[in-house]
Amino acid sequence: DVKVTQSSRYLVKRTGEKVFLECVQDMDHENMFWYRQDPGLGLRLIYFSYDVKMKEKGDIPEGYSVSREKKERFSLILESASTNQTSMYLCASSLDRGTGNEKLFFGSGTQLSVL
Amino acid sequence: QQQVKQSPQSLIVQKGGISIINCAYENTAFDYFPWYQQFPGKGPALLIAIRPDVSEKKEGRFTISFNKSAKQFSLHIMDSQPGDSATYFCAASKSTGFQKLVFGTGTRLLVSP
Repeated sequence: DVKVTQSSRYLVKRTGEKVFLECVQDMDHENMFWYRQDPGLGLRLIYFSYDVKMKEKGDIPEGYSVSREKKERFSLILESASTNQTSMYLCASSLDRGTGNEKLFFGSGTQLSVL
Repeated sequence: QQQVKQSPQSLIVQKGGISIINCAYENTAFDYFPWYQQFPGKGPALLIAIRPDVSEKKEGRFTISFNKSAKQFSLHIMDSQPGDSATYFCAASKSTGFQKLVFGTGTRLLVSP
C-alpha cells in the first residue's frame, strides 16, 4: 500500500514560533507537494519539489519555506508563524514526472492552530 | 486568480438519488481533469479522471461529463449512497511539461439515508 505520512495530526503553536511540518513517503516518488486546505478556498499549493534539493514555489509561498534533503522526505517550514497560517496542511506525492497528469497520493493532514 | 470554479459548495441528496457537481475552467490549455474524494480526517484520494478526447467517462456509479466548448465538466454520482458522503474536489492541469494541478473549492456532499 502506498503511504504518505505526516508527522503530526494536530499542532498548536504560538505566534512568532518557527514551525516544522514533516512528510515522508514510502513509494520512491519523484514529486512531493505541500497544500493548505481552507473552507471555501479548496486546496492551494504552497510549494512543490520534483527532485531532491529542488523546490518550486506554488500559488501561495509567502511565509513558508521547504526542504527536501532526501527523496522520501519533504518538510514545510513556517519561519515565524502567524494566526493567518492556521489551517489544514496536506502533503502529497506523485510518481509521474513531466506528464502533467500525475496521480497525487495525499497524507491525512496536519491541523495547525497558531495562537 | 481562481482558475477552476466549482459548484455547489454543499449538496444534500436522498439515498438512491443522483448527485451532480459542476466545474468550469478558464485555461484552454488544460487537458487533464481529475476528481478527488475526501472523507473526514483523511486526505483526498483520486476518484476518476478524464481527458478532453472523450466527452464522458464512467467508473461504476461515478461518471464525468466533459464539454470542451463550454469549458465545463461535471461529476455525476448515480444511486448515491450514505457512504458517498464526502467532500469532492475537481481539478485541472496541463500535460505539457511539469504542470501542477489547480483545484476547485470543493463540494461537501451529504447523502441522507
